[in-house]
Amino acid sequence: GNSVTQMEGPVTLSEEAFLTINCTYTATGYPSLFWYVQYPGEGLQLLLKATKADDKGSNKGFEATYRKETTSFHLEKGSVQVSDSAVYFCALTPQAGTALIFGKGTTLSVSS
Amino acid sequence: EAGVAQSPRYKIIEKRQSVAFWCNPISGHATLYWYQQILGQGPKLLIQFQNNGVVDDSQLPKDRFSAERLKGVDSTLKIQPAKLEDSAVYLCASSPGYGSRGTDTQYFGPGTRLTVL
Repeated sequence: GNSVTQMEGPVTLSEEAFLTINCTYTATGYPSLFWYVQYPGEGLQLLLKATKADDKGSNKGFEATYRKETTSFHLEKGSVQVSDSAVYFCALTPQAGTALIFGKGTTLSVSS
Repeated sequence: EAGVAQSPRYKIIEKRQSVAFWCNPISGHATLYWYQQILGQGPKLLIQFQNNGVVDDSQLPKDRFSAERLKGVDSTLKIQPAKLEDSAVYLCASSPGYGSRGTDTQYFGPGTRLTVL
């Protein structure tokens, strides 16, 4: 079946550190891949997405590349800020118009 | 553009009571989703509507949960009777609908946090 596995948290970093949150997936066919972010007290927001192999999604300094050969979609940011503290969810849709399948989420805490 | 609206934001009930949640999607969005997010886990689909028809309700516990989307716009999700394990955040999301992958993005409401005592 379809599933998403992401690294367990919490991830604790100092401001300006490099961030990687690992995400791997299992899916038949050609899924679309997403990263959603949930800031404290707020709803889920789309951070970035990629719809086909080798696509790179980017937003707010975050990047993730759709790697079909390794079935991965790792989230990276070169220099994190305190305001990036949130829960990050990796997700996929098996095909267009279907529901999202989420990982368990990774809590990121950035200190100054 | 207004986002997805949900109410109430918080609800506390006793087990075996009933509860209902309301969702108003983004205007013009044909597809509406209800997800359940248990503490420490990612959201899981309960039901998906396309306009006012059900597309996927395979994970909806139909003995106690029901949902409807009248006129293809607003939607309500009901639990009757509630159990302790129903304590979770209930998220509503909408998307423009079937089509190219570029319109696949789902937009989420703030959620309703349900506590069952």
